[in-house]
Amino acid sequence: KAGVTQTPRYLIKTRGQQVTLSCSPISGHRSVSWYQQTPGQGLQFLFEYFSETQRNKGNFPGRFSGRQFSNSRSEMNVSTLELGDSALYLCASSSEGRGPLEQFFGPGTRLTVL
Amino acid sequence: GENVEQHPSTLSVQEGDSAVIKCTYSDSASNYFPWYKQELGKRPQLIIDIRSNVGEKKDQRIAVTLNKTAKHFSLHITETQPEDSAVYFCGAGGGNKLTFGTGTQLKVEL
Repeated sequence: KAGVTQTPRYLIKTRGQQVTLSCSPISGHRSVSWYQQTPGQGLQFLFEYFSETQRNKGNFPGRFSGRQFSNSRSEMNVSTLELGDSALYLCASSSEGRGPLEQFFGPGTRLTVL
Repeated sequence: GENVEQHPSTLSVQEGDSAVIKCTYSDSASNYFPWYKQELGKRPQLIIDIRSNVGEKKDQRIAVTLNKTAKHFSLHITETQPEDSAVYFCGAGGGNKLTFGTGTQLKVEL
């Protein structure tokens, strides 16, 4: 099976712009979670989607949003970019079953805000 | 919500020694505790996980212990090797929401 893929791998934007990141989960996985990774802050949970519905949400401002399509692919959008949004954005997918299951991470999108 | 604290933030050991990383969590409803290893420039990968109905789990040189009463869990790596050098993250949660610690940079020195 192909692993989780993310596009683009690198992005450079300026303050005030918006950005859309894409995540394709492992085939058959219907849950997609997004994380922000910054030095010293570790992996911070943004949100999780399942069957096109947001099931869980972290403590990020409304500038961060997401969606999931019927093929389980997910996108994350950040509007009105700030310098502090510079980070590695990781998505992870998991299958659905009884109890919590392993999350498989993608390679991430490195976002730099200038 | 869940809060996970991880210590130490950096850990340096000599090759062959053991390494221990500790995490505490706040939500007693959490029932899943994974550990991920992230090598430089790579994606996090699961190395071991434990569920709340188990107190200890071992896989070759790595082991995880869980104390639900005290709300803490630990990762133990024995006979460390240079390839164990990486950042390790602990996680706590249930369902499909995981809260991670801030990571431990492990350096195994020759």
